[in-house]
Amino acid sequence: LAKTTQPISMDSYEGQEVNITCSHNNIATNDYITWYQQFPSQGPRFIIQGYKTKVTNEVASLFIPADRKSSTLSLPRVSLSDTAVYYCLVGDEVNAGKSTFGDGTTLTVKP
Amino acid sequence: EAGVTQFPSHSVIEKGQTVTLRCDPISGHDNLYWYRRVMGKEIKFLLHFVKESKQDESGMPNNRFLAERTGGTYSTLKVQPAELEDSGVYFCASSQDSTGAEKLFFGSGTQLSVL
Repeated sequence: LAKTTQPISMDSYEGQEVNITCSHNNIATNDYITWYQQFPSQGPRFIIQGYKTKVTNEVASLFIPADRKSSTLSLPRVSLSDTAVYYCLVGDEVNAGKSTFGDGTTLTVKP
Repeated sequence: EAGVTQFPSHSVIEKGQTVTLRCDPISGHDNLYWYRRVMGKEIKFLLHFVKESKQDESGMPNNRFLAERTGGTYSTLKVQPAELEDSGVYFCASSQDSTGAEKLFFGSGTQLSVL
């Protein structure tokens, strides 16, 4: 399974756009990229998933360059409630559920 | 629609005792996964059920851990006998997609403390 690397922590202020980049140099052809959000005392929650180019939903955008060796989760206009740990996972349809979540990125949004 | 529920939310037991964790997946989800985070480390995969069958249990740490999924509905994870290093948070997740893990729905976890 492809290993991922993310910044350990990031700080931001309310109303700003936050971009969290994940490196996955060994991503395989069949792998897709999934991001999860986790609040304290809760399980991870699915945010967004993509294979290439750009994906957007109601909460975030995911940018994936052509070589797919990295991906960037973009959170528009964050609020205090977006303070959480964000995980990037890489895997194919069969093995994605076996991914290790890694350390994730702890995002702290300040007022 | 009810989410993934786990019971208990917290469990405190003594070394050598037995503990059984339960997970109720979202209704209709064939895929069920168990994960755990110990000692503040990464969340790691333990095993994967497809309906009542164990698809992959490569992440199970040792034979003190036994997982079952009766009738392809809820699942239990039994630790017998529990050791100190088993302390951590145990998460369960389910997914609908037939291939497995396209979008995982997680429970809130069971915090296990072995004293």
